[in-house]
Amino acid sequence: AQSVAQPEDQVNVAEGNPLTVKCTYSVSGNPYLFWYVQYPNRGLQFLLKYITGDNLVKGSYGFEAEFNKSQTSFHLKKPSALVSDSALYFCAVRVNTGGFKTIFGAGTRLFVKA
Amino acid sequence: NAGVTQTPKFQVLKTGQSMTLQCAQDMNHEYMSWYRQDPGMGLRLIHYSVGAGITDQGEVPNGYNVSRSTTEDFPLRLLSAAPSQTSVYFCASSYSGGGAITDTQYFGPGTRLTVL
Repeated sequence: AQSVAQPEDQVNVAEGNPLTVKCTYSVSGNPYLFWYVQYPNRGLQFLLKYITGDNLVKGSYGFEAEFNKSQTSFHLKKPSALVSDSALYFCAVRVNTGGFKTIFGAGTRLFVKA
Repeated sequence: NAGVTQTPKFQVLKTGQSMTLQCAQDMNHEYMSWYRQDPGMGLRLIHYSVGAGITDQGEVPNGYNVSRSTTEDFPLRLLSAAPSQTSVYFCASSYSGGGAITDTQYFGPGTRLTVL
């Protein structure tokens, strides 16, 4: 079965420190991977995606993600966290099952402490 | 350009009542979908549409109906509300109907539904 796993319910980090939000996936065929962020009482916003090419993908708000095919991972990273980065982060994979569908992970809540 | 809009923002229903959640987009996107978000479960796909007149079921379609008469609108109907349908509902759209697996989705602000 095709799936996305986010092993951490919550990640706590101090402002200014680097952050990592983990994601692993299981898909047949080529993975098309996405990260979305949800701020309180808002819809999801696109951060970045991996389609092909360079394994390090840069996105919005200084975030980047590293695609690792051998470990089937797509971890989200930022070199220096901001309090305003505190939000719910979703990893997702787009799959072709006769129509294109997006499978989301359960989400990881990031808390950045000042 | 309003993007994806959803109404209402909040709704309380009694068990057995029916209602329609509205979703509209002004980006001329072919692909639209409905998700529900429950704590610890991420987003789960209810129904989706790859273009006007074409809809299909997602992971959790039971108890919900959709139709797509125009490119802009994709309403979600709850036929007979149940407490298990208490959730936050998100509508999303993306550019290509069935042609681009790489498309980014744009989400509406959500509707918070409580069924008593």
